[in-house]
Amino acid sequence: DVKVTQSSRYLVKRTGEKVFLECVQDMDHENMFWYRQDPGLGLRLIYFSYDVKMKEKGDIPEGYSVSREKKERFSLILESASTNQTSMYLCASSPRPPHFYGYTFGSGTRLTVV
Amino acid sequence: GEDVEQSLFLSVREGDSSVINCTYTDSSSTYLYWYKQEPGAGLQLLTYIFSNMDMKQDQRLTVLLNKKDKHLSLRIADTQTGDSAIYFCAESILTGGGNKLTFGTGTQLKVEL
Repeated sequence: DVKVTQSSRYLVKRTGEKVFLECVQDMDHENMFWYRQDPGLGLRLIYFSYDVKMKEKGDIPEGYSVSREKKERFSLILESASTNQTSMYLCASSPRPPHFYGYTFGSGTRLTVV
Repeated sequence: GEDVEQSLFLSVREGDSSVINCTYTDSSSTYLYWYKQEPGAGLQLLTYIFSNMDMKQDQRLTVLLNKKDKHLSLRIADTQTGDSAIYFCAESILTGGGNKLTFGTGTQLKVEL
């Protein structure tokens, strides 16, 4: 059963902390994505990666960075967490070339910054 | 630019049909998708339609695509309480090394007895 695994379901961090959200996929997909989901705003793309060590900014990259040292792992980093980064974070992966089935998503990490 | 819009809420009675609508703006979309998100979970692909198709039927689900109006809809026949969830439409656009999905705001479907 193929999957995308996010390391934590729930996370509580303090303002100013450095936060790492980890995502691992076992499908040998080239593309990986980080979204945040907020009520009424849908999913907004933070960063994505088309290959190892490659990254591109999405629609809302401010306050975030990413790391992709291995094909299967894509990490989202909050350099100094703030309360407005409290959200549900979703990781996804897809093959290249694009496949009709789109993305495979992880179960999400609900991050609360206090 | 890319912008995908959906209404936020829909309430139906069990056994009725549900129709969830979506409009998008990028005419170069290759595939369009419907995803379902149950409480506390990630997104699960429900169905998809290729941009050169008008309609696709998959058991209780019917997808209609009006490319001229950039309008996508999902019809769920005989809606059940287990269909209560958030439904997202998404468009796929080829960029750089791969495809990028842009999602709508999501429609919360509530099924009442």
